[in-house]
Amino acid sequence: GIQVEQSPPDLILQEGANSTLRCNFSDSVNNLQWFHQNPWGQLINLFYIPSGTKQNGRLSATTVATERYSLLYISSSQTTDSGVYFCAVRVWNNNDMRFGAGTRLTVKP
Amino acid sequence: NAGVTQTPKFQVLKTGQSMTLQCAQDMNHEYMSWYRQDPGMGLRLIHYSVGAGITDQGEVPNGYNVSRSTTEDFPLRLLSAAPSQTSVYFCASTKGTIQGYTIYFGEGSWLTVV
Repeated sequence: GIQVEQSPPDLILQEGANSTLRCNFSDSVNNLQWFHQNPWGQLINLFYIPSGTKQNGRLSATTVATERYSLLYISSSQTTDSGVYFCAVRVWNNNDMRFGAGTRLTVKP
Repeated sequence: NAGVTQTPKFQVLKTGQSMTLQCAQDMNHEYMSWYRQDPGMGLRLIHYSVGAGITDQGEVPNGYNVSRSTTEDFPLRLLSAAPSQTSVYFCASTKGTIQGYTIYFGEGSWLTVV
């Protein structure tokens, strides 16, 4: 099956810093999404981005489908950005969403 | 608008017992799914449904059963609980539009099998 690798596994930032999270995948996909899991376990869908670039406030994401990677940018990080960020992908003709292991982000005040 | 509601939130089972995790959504979404999350890992798909009466297996279906009699409800049954099924379980429903897909998750169910 498709492999999804996220890097870095852990990231510690000071409040106000910027960061880039990466998601590599091993096959062509028709669906790629980014999620944030807060320290209490709640999961929020951030972006649906199988290709191209999207922005939502301080967060933006870019997927280069031909090179099989996606990037999540967080600018001017806040303590509320802490948690685990997951990417998940789905290959063509398959309803199985595969998640990466996540990047754990800690933003310190 | 409650979104996706899962019950129970916490449960302790003995090995061999059976139980049902309930999931309901009020957004009229056709696609619903169940995931498990183990420590330090991403979510893994157990079963999914593309509409009432239609279910299919995901990545880790063994030991679990599902049914979808209505659009709103998608219960997950553990047939004979094993310690390996200790995990956090998330139910989700997916909204599809021409702009793409948005997945809405329940708050999770923490299950311990002893």
